[in-house]
Order: sequence, then C-alpha cells, then structure tokens
Amino acid sequence: GNSVTQMEGPVTLSEEAFLTINCTYTATGYPSLFWYVQYPGEGLQLLLKATKADDKGSNKGFEATYRKETTSFHLEKGSVQVSDSAVYFCALSDNRDDKIIFGKGTRLHILP
Amino acid sequence: DTAVSQTPKYLVTQMGNDKSIKCEQNLGHDTMYWYKQDSKKFLKIMFSYNNKELIINETVPNRFSPKSPDKAHLNLHINSLELGDSAVYFCASSQVGPPDTQYFGPGTRLTVL
Repeated sequence: GNSVTQMEGPVTLSEEAFLTINCTYTATGYPSLFWYVQYPGEGLQLLLKATKADDKGSNKGFEATYRKETTSFHLEKGSVQVSDSAVYFCALSDNRDDKIIFGKGTRLHILP
Repeated sequence: DTAVSQTPKYLVTQMGNDKSIKCEQNLGHDTMYWYKQDSKKFLKIMFSYNNKELIINETVPNRFSPKSPDKAHLNLHINSLELGDSAVYFCASSQVGPPDTQYFGPGTRLTVL
C-alpha cells in the first residue's frame, strides 16, 4: 500500500542554518506530494505541493522537488528562522480517492 | 472569518460516556474529513464526506459515527468512550479531493479519564 517515511525528529538547528527534512514515499502510479506544517496549538496548513515528477513546490522560502527516480520529496530551506519551529508532515495522495497519507511528522526546533 | 471551526477545543470526560465534536466550514467546500492525531503526532484519516455522502471510512470502530446534516457541517459522535480514544481530532475540508488543498480546523483535544 501507499506510505510515507520521513526523518525522525526532533531536529534542532540554530537560526540561519540550512534545513533539510527527508521524505520518501511508496505509491502506485503518479501520486501528488505535499508538505504540511503544524505550528504549536494549531491545525495543519499546507506549506507546498507538487503534482507531477520534477515539479518544485515552494512557499515561504521552503522548497521541495518531486523526484520520481528516488521516490523522494525532501523539504529544504536555506536559512531558517525561530518562527519556523513547528512539526512538518510529508504526505501523498494517489489521486484515486479522497485520502491523503501522512508521514509521522518531524518536529523542528530553531534556536535563536 | 474562521475557515474551518471546531467545538469544543478541549473535551475531558469519563470512560463510557458519549460525546460529540462539531465542525463547520465556511469555504463552500464539498468535501470534509475527520483525522485523529495521537500523542506521537501521528495523523490518520478516519472519515471523509463529499456532499453529505460518506466516501472514506478507515477501519474506525463503529462507536465513532460521523454525521453530516449539510455540506458545511460534519460532526463526530463517539459512543462508550475508551481511554485509547484520547487524542486530538482534526476536521478538514477541501473543494474536491486531493490534490486539492485541505484546510484544517484548530483541533479538539479529547481526554478520556
């Protein structure tokens, strides 16, 4: 079945450091891929998405490229801020039903 | 102008009780969802409805019964609450199914004592 695997957290970085959160997936066909972010005490918000191979999603300085050859969708940001501290979820949909499969989430702490 | 709202935000109750969580969206979306997030932040879909019709029911115990009186509302009723039901429950909505963006409510933290 479909699944998403993302790196275990927590990830702790200093402000302005480079961020990578790894995400790989298993799916049949051509899924759509997402990163959602959950700030403390809030619901999830879509951060970015990509719907086909080689697409790059980007938002708020974050980027992720849909790599079909490596079945990956790693999240990157060049210079993180304290306000980026949150839990990040990689997710996929195989576009055949209404279901989104979420990874287990990666908690990110940014130190000032 | 909250897009997806849930009530209550916190719910503390005894084992064996019956409780409901309400969800409303003012985005005009056709599809609504319920998710359960456990203490380790693992997020799993429970149900989805499209225009008041049940689309997804993910091996959830039949103590959980969603009800959609209209396409703007999807309520979750839980009978005979158990300790393992303690979690944060999120409602979400989207215009159509994936890959359309899902908009999440703020969550309801349920604690069963």
